[in-house]
Amino acid sequence: SAVISQKPSRDICQRGTSLTIQCQVDSQVTMMFWYRQQPGQSLTLIATANQGSEATYESGFVIDKFPISRPNLTFSTLTVSNMSPEDSSIYLCSVGPLTGKYQETQYFGPGTRLLVL
Amino acid sequence: GENVEQHPSTLSVQEGDSAVIKCTYSDSASNYFPWYKQELGKRPQLIIDIRSNVGEKKDQRIAVTLNKTAKHFSLHITETQPEDSAVYFCAAFPNTGTASKLTFGTGTRLQVTL
Repeated sequence: SAVISQKPSRDICQRGTSLTIQCQVDSQVTMMFWYRQQPGQSLTLIATANQGSEATYESGFVIDKFPISRPNLTFSTLTVSNMSPEDSSIYLCSVGPLTGKYQETQYFGPGTRLLVL
Repeated sequence: GENVEQHPSTLSVQEGDSAVIKCTYSDSASNYFPWYKQELGKRPQLIIDIRSNVGEKKDQRIAVTLNKTAKHFSLHITETQPEDSAVYFCAAFPNTGTASKLTFGTGTRLQVTL
């Protein structure tokens, strides 16, 4: 299966600042997604990162707050802008499909643990 | 849009017993149902998945069953072991074209006690 990495693995940031999270896959994938997971909660989709076009955001998430880049089929970034303590969460990228797997199957990166003070 | 409900929210079983987690979905267009296991501090990992043209799928001690008519699917873990302790998430994928995306349940915290 593919190797999915995220940088940074964790960070502590001051409110009002921005953090860019990177997601790298070792093989080309069609779909890349960004999720947020609050402590003890389920996975909430932020947006679908589209290669060559603007990301598709879910209700409640906007581009100004969570700008996303997808320059190629193996890499994406999510920026959390003008952070507040409410942005403290785990941010996960997911990718798919992988060769030999269902088209709908997604695999997750290790996550970025963000604490905003 | 799709709505996935998951029960129970917590489940405690003794080692060796079976565990069953149930999910219901709302969108009849959903045709793919994965289950993820998330250990503390780790990423969600896909453990089994099923498509709507199949009623049951088994992989060693885990199995998933699907009832399309009732719009529910279940995860069955037999002969539970302490390493099965984790949070389990079900999800549904409605095949509605380019806007399709996974919708996750709220999660079940499984505790396997010795």
